[in-house]
Parts: sequence; C-alpha cells; structure tokens
Amino acid sequence: NAGVTQTPKFQVLKTGQSMTLQCAQDMNHEYMSWYRQDPGMGLRLIHYSVGAGITDQGEVPNGYNVSRSTTEDFPLRLLSAAPSQTSVYFCASSSTASLGAYSPLHFGNGTRLTVT
Amino acid sequence: GQQVMQIPQYQHVQEGEDFTTYCNSSTTLSNIQWYKQRPGGHPVFLIQLVKSGEVKKQKRLTFQFGEAKKNSSLHITATQTTDVGTYFCAGPGNRDDKIIFGKGTRLHILP
Repeated sequence: NAGVTQTPKFQVLKTGQSMTLQCAQDMNHEYMSWYRQDPGMGLRLIHYSVGAGITDQGEVPNGYNVSRSTTEDFPLRLLSAAPSQTSVYFCASSSTASLGAYSPLHFGNGTRLTVT
Repeated sequence: GQQVMQIPQYQHVQEGEDFTTYCNSSTTLSNIQWYKQRPGGHPVFLIQLVKSGEVKKQKRLTFQFGEAKKNSSLHITATQTTDVGTYFCAGPGNRDDKIIFGKGTRLHILP
C-alpha cells in the first residue's frame, strides 16, 4: 500500500535552474495539495487541486506551477529556482467527503530542496 | 485570508508533566483537524472535530472544539518521550476547499 509517493527525496539546485517535484497517490483521492515547511513557519499551502483538471493557488503560490492531468499525479514545477525556495516540500491528498468535513490528509515523505 | 493561529510555538516539559497547545481562528470553522509530526518525519493525522463543544480522547490525548467553533485545544496528560514532535492544527480555508495549517507547537520532553 504505497499511499502518497514523492520523488526525489533530496535535491540541490543552482539559482535559475528548473525542476519538477513529483507526487503520486494510489488511493483515488480527489484532493491533492502541496505544502512547504520552513523553520518557525509551519506548513504553508502552495497549490491545491480538488480534482483532475482543476487547480488553485494557496497561501504562497509565487514561483511555482502545478497541473492535474490525472487523478493520481500532481507535479510541482519550479520554473526558475531561487534560494528563498530552499525548503522541505510535502505533497498531501485526501478523499473529500464533503465541503467543510474533510477526510484526513495523507502526506508523502517529503522532498528536501536546497537552492544555492 | 483565513488564518489559524497556534500557541505556544515551543514547549519544554519534564517527562510526566502535562502539555497543552491551543489553536484559534478569527472566523468560525466548520471543522478542525490535528496532526503530529515526529522529528524528520511527515505530518500524521490524529483526529478531526466537527461539532460545537466536541471533546474526543485518544488514550492520554484530549481534543476539544470550542462552543463557538473558533478555537480548539490538544491536551496531553503525563507526557512520555514518545510524545516528542510538532503538533499542528488545521482548518478549512475561506471557501472550504483547502486546508490551512497553524504554525505548530514543538514539544520537547526533558527526561
């Protein structure tokens, strides 16, 4: 039972490089999301999706793009990496029972990204 | 935008002492969730509260949802070393279509 799978686990980028963080879930969850975690800042929502073909911005979307072409996959793209994007990134999914009463979020193991 | 404020940011307790973290929102929440993240790990769901004034218990953990559904608390009785980690509350965003986290409370247990 894989759950939410994130790749890679670690990544080092140089300023200006681009990359895609992969996220896949095998639970047929409608809702998927990306968070970044920085010391003292908690978990901040970057982008989220309530279903295939639908994405929306979270609290800190600048510098990141997402797409949701399938239910299973929700990649996060950094178009031009900056040192401020050094962080731990978590992908999470849930089956939305109904608005206002979410099912629990299932998190991946995270990707630790360093931008030099 | 929707904000969920959590205090304290850090808490050091002696093993065996009690611990409480508080979560407050400026607006009424339809529900609130609590998560625990062990050092180096990912957040893991603990519980969800939906009803006004709801109280739920999981062994030594007691979760409460305020009558006005604007605040919540997590209380741990007689802490153990296994309780070490960061505890997060999370609530729905303005349109109830996203989940916003508080900044978390990091619990340190002194032996």
